[in-house]
Amino acid sequence: DAGVIQSPRHEVTEMGQEVTLRCKPISGHDYLFWYRQTMMRGLELLIYFNNNVPIDDSGMPEDRFSAKMPNASFSTLKIQPSEPRDSAVYFCASSRQKQYFGPGTRLTVL
Amino acid sequence: GENVEQHPSTLSVQEGDSAVIKCTYSDSASNYFPWYKQELGKRPQLIIDIRSNVGEKKDQRIAVTLNKTAKHFSLHITETQPEDSAVYFCAASITGNQFYFGTGTSLTVIP
Repeated sequence: DAGVIQSPRHEVTEMGQEVTLRCKPISGHDYLFWYRQTMMRGLELLIYFNNNVPIDDSGMPEDRFSAKMPNASFSTLKIQPSEPRDSAVYFCASSRQKQYFGPGTRLTVL
Repeated sequence: GENVEQHPSTLSVQEGDSAVIKCTYSDSASNYFPWYKQELGKRPQLIIDIRSNVGEKKDQRIAVTLNKTAKHFSLHITETQPEDSAVYFCAASITGNQFYFGTGTSLTVIP
């Protein structure tokens, strides 16, 4: 089992640009989560899906953030336009009772 | 919704001593309690978990205890080693549904 796969691992972009983060969950897992981690705010849940359907997006900071899960093996988190305060590590996780994290995407917005 | 509190936020112990991290939760419906270890620059990794029908679980030097009545659970690490230094997170969940995380404990094991 390859585990949760995320890409890219690092992203550096300029303010105002669109950023797309990608995630492939573990096969057979029916829940997918997007988290953001910063030193100041810790680990924050942004949104989670069950069977590809968004269940709770109350953690999404604002309309600049959007997430999709078109099928059971792929999800995206998009930020448009990006701002310096979006700089963080973004983790995708999947679960079927037990939750496992991907390696994360370190996003830097200049 | 569920509220998970974790203490202490930082913990330093001498190598070979024990470390204990405590968490409380608010929703009696929570029935699954995992613990994660996050080393610097790495992902949180599941190290041990416990379900509400069990009071204690051990895996080598780590153990977790659960008190459902008091709504608290703890992580115990015995014979600590420098490689145990990391941030530890507790979480509460209703069986694989949304996970609520504590704020983390930064553990330093001093050689």
